[in-house]
Amino acid sequence: GAVVSQHPSWVICKSGTSVKIECRSLDFQATTMFWYRQFPKQSLMLMATSNEGSKATYEQGVEKDKFLINHASLTLSTLTVTSAHPEDSSFYICSAEGLAGRQETQYFGPGTRLLVL
Amino acid sequence: GDSVTQMEGPVTLSEEAFLTINCTYTATGYPSLFWYVQYPGEGLQLLLKATKADDKGSNKGFEATYRKETTSFHLEKGSVQVSDSAVYFCALHGGGGYQKVTFGIGTKLQVIP
Repeated sequence: GAVVSQHPSWVICKSGTSVKIECRSLDFQATTMFWYRQFPKQSLMLMATSNEGSKATYEQGVEKDKFLINHASLTLSTLTVTSAHPEDSSFYICSAEGLAGRQETQYFGPGTRLLVL
Repeated sequence: GDSVTQMEGPVTLSEEAFLTINCTYTATGYPSLFWYVQYPGEGLQLLLKATKADDKGSNKGFEATYRKETTSFHLEKGSVQVSDSAVYFCALHGGGGYQKVTFGIGTKLQVIP
């Protein structure tokens, strides 16, 4: 079945540094990828929708200059948390939209846990 | 806008008990409905889905039926196991032409031996 990977799975960084998270669709091409954020004991909140070759669409309340998204190819999207602060500590999950049979389906990555000290 | 309402947990059951986790939704158009499961320390995994009214999704002993008349997609399992302990998310996808997934708050299930 379709697989989506994320790298790294865990990252610990100092406040003020930038962190890049990669999301890859391993065996299918994904024109659309989504980035979610999950706080402890809460649901996933969509941050942005990323389309290959165009600018990402951010949800209301998400700072586009803080969370930089690049979707350079049909199999790779990156999320960069710039000048990270402790409140950015969270679980970041990507998903990629691909075909399962004749139906578009979202496949989720395993997530990246970010801890900002 | 789209929304998913899910019963809050935690839900604690003894092994082999019957499980029901309620989920209702509001959406424009004709959404697809999903249940995702998140085991401790892991990402989301698709558990089952239904794409149109009266469809029944099933997997690993879990079932859910897409009820358009009651806008519900309740998750059921006849006999839970300790290994089913996880957080379960009800979600809808699509409907109204915008292809984003809307998640419920998640229900934590704990099964005790």
